[in-house]
Amino acid sequence: GIQVEQSPPDLILQEGANSTLRCNFSDSVNNLQWFHQNPWGQLINLFYIPSGTKQNGRLSATTVATERYSLLYISSSQTTDSGVYFCAVFDFGNEKLTFGTGTRLTIIP
Amino acid sequence: DAGVIQSPRHEVTEMGQEVTLRCKPISGHNSLFWYRQTMMRGLELLIYFNNNVPIDDSGMPEDRFSAKMPNASFSTLKIQPSEPRDSAVYFCASNPRLGISTEAFFGQGTRLTVV
Repeated sequence: GIQVEQSPPDLILQEGANSTLRCNFSDSVNNLQWFHQNPWGQLINLFYIPSGTKQNGRLSATTVATERYSLLYISSSQTTDSGVYFCAVFDFGNEKLTFGTGTRLTIIP
Repeated sequence: DAGVIQSPRHEVTEMGQEVTLRCKPISGHNSLFWYRQTMMRGLELLIYFNNNVPIDDSGMPEDRFSAKMPNASFSTLKIQPSEPRDSAVYFCASNPRLGISTEAFFGQGTRLTVV
């Protein structure tokens, strides 16, 4: 099946800093999503972005499907941004959402 | 819509007991997924349904696990008998249509502890 890799695995930043999280996938996909798992364990939808660029407040995401990667940008980090960020992809063959291993982000006041 | 609703939120049970987790997908969504999250294995797909029919249960760890979707608004995941290694967070998700470019939404999860 499709492989999804995220980097870095861990990231510790001061409040106010910017960050870039990366997601690489091994095959063509027709769906890519970014999620934030907050400290209470909830999986929050951030972006549905099979291609192109989207922005939502301090967050933005870009997917370059032809090069099989996606980036999540977080600007002016706040402590509430802490948690684990997952990307997940639907591949054409298996029709199921496969998750990466996540990036754990810790924002220090 | 209230989103995907799972119950219970927390379950503590003794080894050997039967456990039933419940999920109500978003109204109008045709596909439903059950995931399990552990520290060791991350988020792994157990089973998914399309139009109430199980499509792929290859992720179900063993025969102790079973899932049903009797109608479009309800699904259950049952573990019988439960074992301590089944302790995990179980998530249910739904999306409007299987496979085609659509967005999946997750419930809040059920944290299962088997002692």
